[in-house]
Amino acid sequence: DAGITQSPRHKVTETGTPVTLRCHQTENHRYMYWYRQDPGHGLRLIHYSYGVKDTDKGEVSDGYSVSRSKTEDFLLTLESATSSQTSVYFCATPTYEQYFGPGTRLTVT
Amino acid sequence: DQQVKQNSPSLSVQEGRISILNCDYTNSMFDYFLWYKKYPAEGPTFLISISSIKDKNEDGRFTVFLNKSAKHLSLHIVPSQPGDSAVYFCAASARYFGNEKLTFGTGTRLTIIP
Repeated sequence: DAGITQSPRHKVTETGTPVTLRCHQTENHRYMYWYRQDPGHGLRLIHYSYGVKDTDKGEVSDGYSVSRSKTEDFLLTLESATSSQTSVYFCATPTYEQYFGPGTRLTVT
Repeated sequence: DQQVKQNSPSLSVQEGRISILNCDYTNSMFDYFLWYKKYPAEGPTFLISISSIKDKNEDGRFTVFLNKSAKHLSLHIVPSQPGDSAVYFCAASARYFGNEKLTFGTGTRLTIIP
């Protein structure tokens, strides 16, 4: 299962505050992905990484940034959280037949 | 622009019968297709995949069919079991064009009735 963990698992934050979600994998995979899941939209790609310090945008990247300073960690940051970013966030690796983390449920009030 | 569409938000099937989940796509460059299953409060799990060079792939009770001319794929589950109740997502990629991203459909909630 690629040993994927996500933290925190649940978070409630206020509009305008910064939030960072962490994804950690133990299998040394090169590619890592961040998705958000919303009713009626399925899973949408936010950002992905194809190596340390190598990242690219997905289809819903506005308002999000990412960083990957180590192979095993991929961070997703909401610089100034908005209510529209209330969602469940999933991390996944590697490419194609992906293993997903357990998810982070984020509520922005 | 939804490039991968699952037009049935939900489906109910009697236990032991066949479940058929459908998925349509619009991007002609897609050449690799996958199905994922998701239980509540868990991450999706990979179920089965198919390359565009095939029209069928089977794994136990799960079979995926691909109709390239119609840009349509389907997942057949037979016989359906209560543990199959979940949300199913289809996904597609332009794998052989070097695209490392998956595009997902909106999901179909399958309920197996005992």
